[in-house]
Amino acid sequence: QKEVEQNSGPLSVPEGAIASLNCTYSDRGSQSFFWYRQYSGKSPELIMSIYSNGDKEDGRFTAQLNKASQYVSLLIRDSQPSDSATYLCAVRASSASKIIFGSGTRLSIRP
Amino acid sequence: DAGVIQSPRHEVTEMGQEVTLRCKPISGHNSLFWYRQTMMRGLELLIYFNNNVPIDDSGMPEDRFSAKMPNASFSTLKIQPSEPRDSAVYFCASSLDRRAVLWGYTFGSGTRLTVV
Repeated sequence: QKEVEQNSGPLSVPEGAIASLNCTYSDRGSQSFFWYRQYSGKSPELIMSIYSNGDKEDGRFTAQLNKASQYVSLLIRDSQPSDSATYLCAVRASSASKIIFGSGTRLSIRP
Repeated sequence: DAGVIQSPRHEVTEMGQEVTLRCKPISGHNSLFWYRQTMMRGLELLIYFNNNVPIDDSGMPEDRFSAKMPNASFSTLKIQPSEPRDSAVYFCASSLDRRAVLWGYTFGSGTRLTVV
């Protein structure tokens, strides 16, 4: 079992709709969870972080965390073509400072 | 804040040659991470340093890979001898340890390595 698992996609969503990205993790003791966005040929950039169960909203982005189910998700409302990118779920290991990344979900917003 | 600076941006080398990748972390950050990204394996952690000391190098693929951090503002990742399967994008990232829990890492622009 991979430490952080994501569906590789591609996920195609019409412009203006809600895009839903999901992630599961294996380390039950993990405390910090991140979503990074990576455009083609660019480096990952942090867009959301979440530490407590429930929802965290920032503009059009909402991160959801369920530690009991070991599940993290990212919702993007009013999807724009500029949201087309690969989204990486990342989890900070409970036993160390390192962050483990999922393989990413490629999101495509169609006009 | 100049961000994490990596050099070179692109490197093309022949199999068997030595390759050195360089990274300058954000000033004041005390943790530095080297990642490798490929289509097949995604973003893999190779090694990380805390206060210039290597903490976990379990991700280094084999003895051909080595990394150093001689001071707080500079790190190198060396591959000797290089092989075609080492072709990937290598990212350096840094963080202020106590903030990494909340804010994750800041990545450099990466070095795209091609070994022919």
